[in-house]
Amino acid sequence: DAGVTQSPTHLIKTRGQQVTLRCSPKSGHDTVSWYQQALGQGPQFIFQYYEEEERQRGNFPDRFSGHQFPNYSSELNVNALLLGDSALYLCASSYRRSQAYNEQFFGPGTRLTVL
Amino acid sequence: AQSVTQPDIHITVSEGASLELRCNYSYGATPYLFWYVQSPGQGLQLLLKYFSGDTLVQGIKGFEAEFKRSQSSFNLRKPSVHWSDAAEYFCALQGGGGGNKLTFGTGTQLKVEL
Repeated sequence: DAGVTQSPTHLIKTRGQQVTLRCSPKSGHDTVSWYQQALGQGPQFIFQYYEEEERQRGNFPDRFSGHQFPNYSSELNVNALLLGDSALYLCASSYRRSQAYNEQFFGPGTRLTVL
Repeated sequence: AQSVTQPDIHITVSEGASLELRCNYSYGATPYLFWYVQSPGQGLQLLLKYFSGDTLVQGIKGFEAEFKRSQSSFNLRKPSVHWSDAAEYFCALQGGGGGNKLTFGTGTQLKVEL
């Protein structure tokens, strides 16, 4: 079992550009959540995808969008990049058995640097 | 609104000494609580979790945590720290009602002196 995988590992972009980050969930998982972790901070929830739809969203602007594919993998897109978007972006997957707790497994993250 | 506070940004302990990392939460009911560890360049690894029942929970790597409802706390402890425990530790909360968004604290950076 490969666990949660993310690509790329590192990425450098300039202000105003657009970026796409990718995540493959752990085998058997159907739900993907994205978090942003700025330097020296805890992860902040961006949004969650289940059944190819955004189910829950944190306090992030519309520049942040996502997609989930039929194979449960997911993409995070960020448009019009700002310097403040520089962060580690973490993907977490889980299996949505019920409305109760579902343990989330985290990937290693993508380090995005905006210059 | 739900929130998690980790009052200690940095903690330094000697190898072999005991450890306690503090975590306080704010939530209208009993939340699900977690402790994660993050080593440099790594993702988050779950150390332990509390749902209900016994307020003292055991985790991996010899860690334990105690849920205290009256103090809204969920402190992480280890009797004897190893040099390999140096990392950043995050306390997190998940509310009920569907979805499993995690709310994290700002983390505590643990340094272990040999």
